[in-house]
Amino acid sequence: KAGVTQTPRYLIKTRGQQVTLSCSPISGHRSVSWYQQTPGQGLQFLFEYFSETQRNKGNFPGRFSGRQFSNSRSEMNVSTLELGDSALYLCASSSTGFPGNTIYFGEGSWLTVV
Amino acid sequence: AQKITQTQPGMFVQEKEAVTLDCTYDTSDQSYGLFWYKQPSSGEMIFLIYQGSYDEQNATEGRYSLNFQKARKSANLVISASQLGDSAMYFCAMREGNSGGSNYKLTFGKGTLLTVNP
Repeated sequence: KAGVTQTPRYLIKTRGQQVTLSCSPISGHRSVSWYQQTPGQGLQFLFEYFSETQRNKGNFPGRFSGRQFSNSRSEMNVSTLELGDSALYLCASSSTGFPGNTIYFGEGSWLTVV
Repeated sequence: AQKITQTQPGMFVQEKEAVTLDCTYDTSDQSYGLFWYKQPSSGEMIFLIYQGSYDEQNATEGRYSLNFQKARKSANLVISASQLGDSAMYFCAMREGNSGGSNYKLTFGKGTLLTVNP
């Protein structure tokens, strides 16, 4: 079955702009979470959605937001981009039942802010 | 305090040999899950293996096995018969909370860069 799909894979934005990243989870998975990966901070949790509701949120400013649609696809948005937002953004999807505890990631979206 | 500690920034192994990547964790939860991921330079985070805190047997997935020592709070990844394609960054991660509940947040270690030499 298809894995987690993230688009776009690579993008370059200018400071002050906004960006929207998309994630399609594995079919049947209803939980989608987002992570930011930078060389300095490593992998950090952004937020998690389940059935269109945000259940968990990491310690990021309000410029980072997300949403989930009824088909479980998710988007994250970063407004007023800063140079420090340059990172690999990873989306993960999870099944919801036990023992379905595997969490699968997509290939990520590489964002460069110039 | 760090919740996931990977003390080996880099490791080298000869092709066809086994290698152990260390991971220790810190949690007060009784129910938690431990994951290992492989990240090649392309960026994709590839799921390798999962161990639940209540699992009595060590998890195995092909050439990967997880040496789970609950009392010591360690969850080391063992890769047998290393291959050149195993060269990548390896991350240990933990999910805390109820396995059937709503917490799917992962906390990651800083990773270990594994290099397999021919």
